Amino acid sequence: EAEVAQSPRYKITEKSQAVAFWCDPISGHATLYWYRQILGQGPELLVQFQDESVVDDSQLPKDRFSAERLKGVDSTLKIQPAELGDSAMYLCASSLGGRVEAFFGQGTRLTVV
Amino acid sequence: GESVGLHLPTLSVQEGDNSIINCAYSNSASDYFIWYKQESGKGPQFIIDIRSNMDKRQGQRVTVLLNKTVKHLSLQIAATQPGDSAVYFCAETLNQAGTALIFGKGTTLSVSS
Repeated sequence: EAEVAQSPRYKITEKSQAVAFWCDPISGHATLYWYRQILGQGPELLVQFQDESVVDDSQLPKDRFSAERLKGVDSTLKIQPAELGDSAMYLCASSLGGRVEAFFGQGTRLTVV
Repeated sequence: GESVGLHLPTLSVQEGDNSIINCAYSNSASDYFIWYKQESGKGPQFIIDIRSNMDKRQGQRVTVLLNKTVKHLSLQIAATQPGDSAVYFCAETLNQAGTALIFGKGTTLSVSS
């Protein structure tokens, strides 16, 4: 069964360090989303791509976060420098072009110490 | 007036009981809704969806009810099983390609045998 792949599953980093997460969406899915989920809350959108273009990054803290999807397939989300408040689950999701139903990966659990 | 189910952050049921999970959505323009199940340490998993031109949709052991008048959504799980224990989120969006999901507050369902 096709699924969204994310790595790493877990990441512990010291504050002020750089950290990166990788996502490979379901093959053929043009739309890719990065969500952040703080413990006990629902996921919140950080950035949305349509192919290689950013559609919505209004909630992305651009002073420290960046995201790219250079070839319109896999994507990388980077945080530099990491802060204690960035500790959360980072979820990647994808959807087929023309559809809104999103399929999620297992997420990357980030702990900043 | 019409009674609307309250959102509860937690719900505990016995195995075999029916469960009802409620959700209030925020945007009266939203016209597509999804229920997701999230098990501990995993990403959200699609359960069932409903479009705004419907008020009820049934799946396998699950039923979603939509009341657009009061912006309320509910998920009914029949014959609840221990494997149903998880956090359940409703998500809303506009039924347009490339529109991101907005998640509501989750409900933690605990099923005891």
